[in-house]
Amino acid sequence: QQPVQSPQAVILREGEDAVINCSSSKALYSVHWYRQKHGEAPVFLMILLKGGEQKGHEKISASFNEKKQQSSLYLTASQLSYSGTYFCGTEVDAGGTSYGKLTFGQGTILTVHP
Amino acid sequence: NAGVTQTPKFQVLKTGQSMTLQCAQDMNHEYMSWYRQDPGMGLRLIHYSVGAGITDQGEVPNGYNVSRSTTEDFPLRLLSAAPSQTSVYFCASSLVGVYSTGELFFGEGSRLTVL
Repeated sequence: QQPVQSPQAVILREGEDAVINCSSSKALYSVHWYRQKHGEAPVFLMILLKGGEQKGHEKISASFNEKKQQSSLYLTASQLSYSGTYFCGTEVDAGGTSYGKLTFGQGTILTVHP
Repeated sequence: NAGVTQTPKFQVLKTGQSMTLQCAQDMNHEYMSWYRQDPGMGLRLIHYSVGAGITDQGEVPNGYNVSRSTTEDFPLRLLSAAPSQTSVYFCASSLVGVYSTGELFFGEGSRLTVL
């Protein structure tokens, strides 16, 4: 079953912040975040393993709430280059990793204006 | 290092025709997979493989076949194309094991139209 992402779309001005959420009905081993520009392949942002860790990547960070099976992606001080569609990919907890067998959410379209 | 290479990039088929989408990676990744992407649906897993000789079905396997005779190659075969298979197809690979970061490396995609 697909994880559910919210919101479906976000419009920002440069410098504003955004949060994208990803929720699953299944127990998860990991949550992946990818960004896709129009007409291009998805690009890996980060992975969070069960354990509730938070990761940062310059001005993009994410958290994973293992109890709620929810992950959030935080984009701070947004730049024009952040525009694109963001996907979360979830890996079900089957006693360990399934090495990339991900189920992706439907995506969140982020548009950053000058 | 080419990464993940998909061919062809564009293809138009008539209903009932068969074809093979090619995928090759030069990173010695054990895991390879095929996804299809449709508007508003995200990426849906068709088939995947955890090594040569081992394949398994994903969420939407009907109408597609795969094989994995080598570590490098993972072709996707459409047996009898249908308009519902019009989509963008992505091949992805990743490393398996303790040195894996979990990152999926995607090819550039193959846009298929079935008339």
